[in-house]
Amino acid sequence: EPEVTQTPSHQVTQMGQEVILRCVPISNHLYFYWYRQILGQKVEFLVSFYNNEISEKSEIFDDQFSVERPDGSNFTLKIRSTKLEDSAMYFCASTRDRGQETQYFGPGTRLLVL
Amino acid sequence: DAKTTQPPSMDCAEGRAANLPCNHSTISGNEYVYWYRQIHSQGPQYIIHGLKNNETNEMASLIITEDRKSSTLILPHATLRDTAVYYCIVRVNTGTASKLTFGTGTRLQVTL
Repeated sequence: EPEVTQTPSHQVTQMGQEVILRCVPISNHLYFYWYRQILGQKVEFLVSFYNNEISEKSEIFDDQFSVERPDGSNFTLKIRSTKLEDSAMYFCASTRDRGQETQYFGPGTRLLVL
Repeated sequence: DAKTTQPPSMDCAEGRAANLPCNHSTISGNEYVYWYRQIHSQGPQYIIHGLKNNETNEMASLIITEDRKSSTLILPHATLRDTAVYYCIVRVNTGTASKLTFGTGTRLQVTL
């Protein structure tokens, strides 16, 4: 069964450093998402992406965040200058098309900012 | 999207049916009920969704009341691997790839 994959599974970085989290959505999916979950808290929506554009973003998704689909398979989330409060699990999700909106999630990247 | 209310936790004996309730009294006619679960800190896993008819798949059954103000997710024979946080989410399938809004869910503990 096709699945969403994410790399790395864990990332440790110093405050102020840039990180790029990578996702490979399910191959015939067209809509992509990033969510995050701070330890012990709810899963929170960050951004949705379709047709090489951001469809929707939350208040969390400020100028420090950016997303990109650099090729036909990867979908990335970049945090330009990480803060301690960016420490969280980051989940990528994808969905097939407008007629099938079930979102399928990847296993997540655990980001720790020191 | 309509707000949902779920009990914070439930226990279930292994092999028994787990019935997880969800209230969504403000649901509107075009909103679907989705269920996801999250095992430990893994990515949320899709279970099932429905609009007004009851639904069944290989994982679970979804029973939606006639007035659609509440629903129940049924795991017919719970196993230890079903221990997880279960999220009931109501959202519109608008065709514009809308976000999922997660609440705090129900923490289901399956015991021997």
